[in-house]
Amino acid sequence: EVQLVQSGAVVKKPGESLKISCDTSGYTFTNHWVGWVRQMPGKGLEWIGFIYPYDSDTKYSPSFQGQVTISADKFISMAYLQWNSLKASDTAIYYCVRRASPGYCSGGNCNVFDHWGQGTLVTVSS
Amino acid sequence: SSVLTQPPSVSVAPGKTARITCAGNNIGSTTVHWYQQKPGQAPVLVIYYDTDRPSGIPERLSGSNSGNVATLTISRVEAGDEADYYCQVWDSSTEQVVFGGGTKLTVL
Repeated sequence: EVQLVQSGAVVKKPGESLKISCDTSGYTFTNHWVGWVRQMPGKGLEWIGFIYPYDSDTKYSPSFQGQVTISADKFISMAYLQWNSLKASDTAIYYCVRRASPGYCSGGNCNVFDHWGQGTLVTVSS
Repeated sequence: SSVLTQPPSVSVAPGKTARITCAGNNIGSTTVHWYQQKPGQAPVLVIYYDTDRPSGIPERLSGSNSGNVATLTISRVEAGDEADYYCQVWDSSTEQVVFGGGTKLTVL
């Protein structure tokens, strides 16, 4: 059974750094892109980016490029989302997701997310 | 780049049919996926490749995509269908995942 289990809720102050994690199991981690999706309070879903753990190739939404870093450790099947300096506007639930199609594949058919983590609530407040 | 427009809310009586639209310029030329998010839960994929259902998703949920509108249809609506629904595409011109704004389905 494919599972994505995320780290727990966290409260941080503006300017602090943070790294949240996504522990995957039930499939070959290096075969599938793993991504992150943000959901601000009461709002919709926003794609942040994803990483291909096989070679660490990474794609970001322009809205998040430079604001966060996505990484993966293929030896322990974990993906991460990291901030160097949090802002109050980073307060949101963050979901990790698995892209259904393995490997390099382009087009709409490839970019669908078949498994989601339970979400990590990040609260940034002074 | 793709902009996907969904109605903020749709209301339907139990047993009736709900249709949730996702409008985008020539959306019929790409592939649309749909997610269901119940309160306090993570989203779940309910329709992929315009019309396909993952295992465990009831046949009451179906999808279509043509022209400038994709539609998620829920037949014989039940109270348990009450949720937010999001459409999603891949914008090949910008290489980005794009989500619609979401539609809150209320079962009266």
